[in-house]
Amino acid sequence: QVQLQESGPGLVRPSETLSLTCIVSGESIRHYHWSWIRQAPGKGLEWVAYIYPDGSTNHNPSLTSRVSISSDTPKNQLSLTLRSVTAADTAVYYCARGPRSSSALKWGQGALVSVSS
Amino acid sequence: NFMLTQPHSVSASPGKTVTISCTRSGGSIAGNYVQWYQQRPGSSPITVIFDDNQRPSGVPDRFSGSIDRSSNSASLTISGLKTEDEADYYCQSYDTNSHWVFGGGTKLTVL
Repeated sequence: QVQLQESGPGLVRPSETLSLTCIVSGESIRHYHWSWIRQAPGKGLEWVAYIYPDGSTNHNPSLTSRVSISSDTPKNQLSLTLRSVTAADTAVYYCARGPRSSSALKWGQGALVSVSS
Repeated sequence: NFMLTQPHSVSASPGKTVTISCTRSGGSIAGNYVQWYQQRPGSSPITVIFDDNQRPSGVPDRFSGSIDRSSNSASLTISGLKTEDEADYYCQSYDTNSHWVFGGGTKLTVL
């Protein structure tokens, strides 16, 4: 059974870069669409980006200039990079696998990232 | 772009049936698949419905999804309510650029 495990720094300083990894076990990442979704404390879900099996990507327009998503097939993991972070980027970041790019079917446990000086 | 509007909260008693609505403003609800995610307090979301009305394996058949073109809305219906169903529920769809859109979430209280 597929398992997704996000990991990250926990704390990032304002204006710096946030980097997260999602390690996938139980299946190969190359066959599926993978997404990142975040949730600010006490708030709803917000889509961040996704990556297709061929490596092409799509991003939330509000984050496009700052966000990058990539996959590493040999390591079977996904990465999310968010540049020039502010306190508004404080959130739990989830990676998820979809039946397609437009939805999530399997979710990870999430990684809390706080942006603070 | 469009918005998905959900009631802020709903409540029902154990054993009863509850329906959570998700109304699309702009464009047809039938134009793009709708998903429903359940998030219990302190937990990550799980998918209870995808592609309007499909249940992932392991999700009880007490959960069902539908769309109504006349009201331009999607609905999640949970029958035989259990206390474990108490959670936040989010609907989600996507626009013509394949950008995801989430509803604001509905808090279900089982009292």
